[in-house]
Amino acid sequence: QKEVEQNSGPLSVPEGAIASLNCTYSDRGSQSFFWYRQYSGKSPELIMSIYSNGDKEDGRFTAQLNKASQYVSLLIRDSQPSDSATYLCAVKGAHTGNQFYFGTGTSLTVIP
Amino acid sequence: NAGVMQNPRHLVRRRGQEARLRCSPMKGHSHVYWYRQLPEEGLKFMVYLQKENIIDESGMPKERFSAEFPKEGPSILRIQQVVRGDSAAYFCASSPSGPSSTDTQYFGPGTRLTVL
Repeated sequence: QKEVEQNSGPLSVPEGAIASLNCTYSDRGSQSFFWYRQYSGKSPELIMSIYSNGDKEDGRFTAQLNKASQYVSLLIRDSQPSDSATYLCAVKGAHTGNQFYFGTGTSLTVIP
Repeated sequence: NAGVMQNPRHLVRRRGQEARLRCSPMKGHSHVYWYRQLPEEGLKFMVYLQKENIIDESGMPKERFSAEFPKEGPSILRIQQVVRGDSAAYFCASSPSGPSSTDTQYFGPGTRLTVL
């Protein structure tokens, strides 16, 4: 079983719609969760971090965390073509020191 | 405030040569992580270092790969006797401190290694 799992997509949404990206993790003791955006040929860029159950909003982005279900999601409201990228979910392991585990990413395309 | 710096950005080597990848963390950051990303795949953790110490190298291949983070200068990922399968993007990330559960990693631009 992989530490962090994401649907690889591709996920396509029309401009202005809500894009929903999902991630599950296996280490129940994990406490830190991150979403990164990666454009093709570029490095990952931090979008959101979340540490507590519930929702965390930052502009058009909302991260949702449910530790009981070991589930973290990212919602992008009013999606723009510039949001088209691969989104990586990352989890900091509870029992592996400072190692971060990354999912394989979900490819998002926002159609104008 | 400069971000994480990596050089070279692109590196071409022939099979059997050595590759040296350098990473300078963000100012004030003392923790460095190295990742490898193959085309169409996710980031794979390789090694986590603090100044003069390797903290976790569980993701590093046992042979040909080594990493260091000296007291002075950048962190270096060294690949000896490269093979075609080593062709990938190698990313370095840094964070300000280790034990805190709220640490965040910031990535450098990466080094794209091509082995001919």
